[in-house]
Amino acid sequence: AQTVTQSQPEMSVQEAETVTLSCTYDTSENNYYLFWYKQPPSRQMILVIRQEAYKQQNATENRFSVNFQKAAKSFSLKISDSQLGDTAMYFCAFMKRNNNDMRFGAGTRLTVKP
Amino acid sequence: DGGITQSPKYLFRKEGQNVTLSCEQNLNHDAMYWYRQDPGQGLRLIYYSQIVNDFQKGDIAEGYSVSREKKESFPLTVTSAQKNPTAFYLCATAMLGRNSGDIQYFGAGTRLSVL
Repeated sequence: AQTVTQSQPEMSVQEAETVTLSCTYDTSENNYYLFWYKQPPSRQMILVIRQEAYKQQNATENRFSVNFQKAAKSFSLKISDSQLGDTAMYFCAFMKRNNNDMRFGAGTRLTVKP
Repeated sequence: DGGITQSPKYLFRKEGQNVTLSCEQNLNHDAMYWYRQDPGQGLRLIYYSQIVNDFQKGDIAEGYSVSREKKESFPLTVTSAQKNPTAFYLCATAMLGRNSGDIQYFGAGTRLSVL
């Protein structure tokens, strides 16, 4: 079974600075997706960024980018120019391609300080 | 207004009572999912359905039941057999197919507490 590990339960960053959230996963699969979801205090889960395992290029969405290291099974999220609205729980998730079984990490609580 | 609607937002269950959580979507997505979220943990899959009148168990299906009579609706019943039902429940939907990207979209959730 696939497992997803987020080793940082809590992190904080000053507004406008950069922060990196860590995620590692364990799988024997070769064809899969990785996701970062954000859960603000409203508790709505919002997709931040998605990476396809067969693509070597790291995904980027505005201020959010990933460092995908397939051999190391690592998938970290970098948030640049942090904003107060980035304060949330962040979940890393893994899913085999064309499979309904999405596995989530335990989450990292990020606080952006003014 | 398009999206995924979960209701109610808050729900209280008495001991021995069954309760049903609603999830409705107008995105025309094929697949629907139910997750449970406990404090300090990630989401865990309860049930999912890819087509009408068919559904599959996830990791923690015991004490729960679902139905998929319509594409738009996937209600979750928390039965009296579920001894620790207090949690936050999230419904998700996804398109299926080559171009779907396997992305799941989430509703706003239902908070279930035991009286």
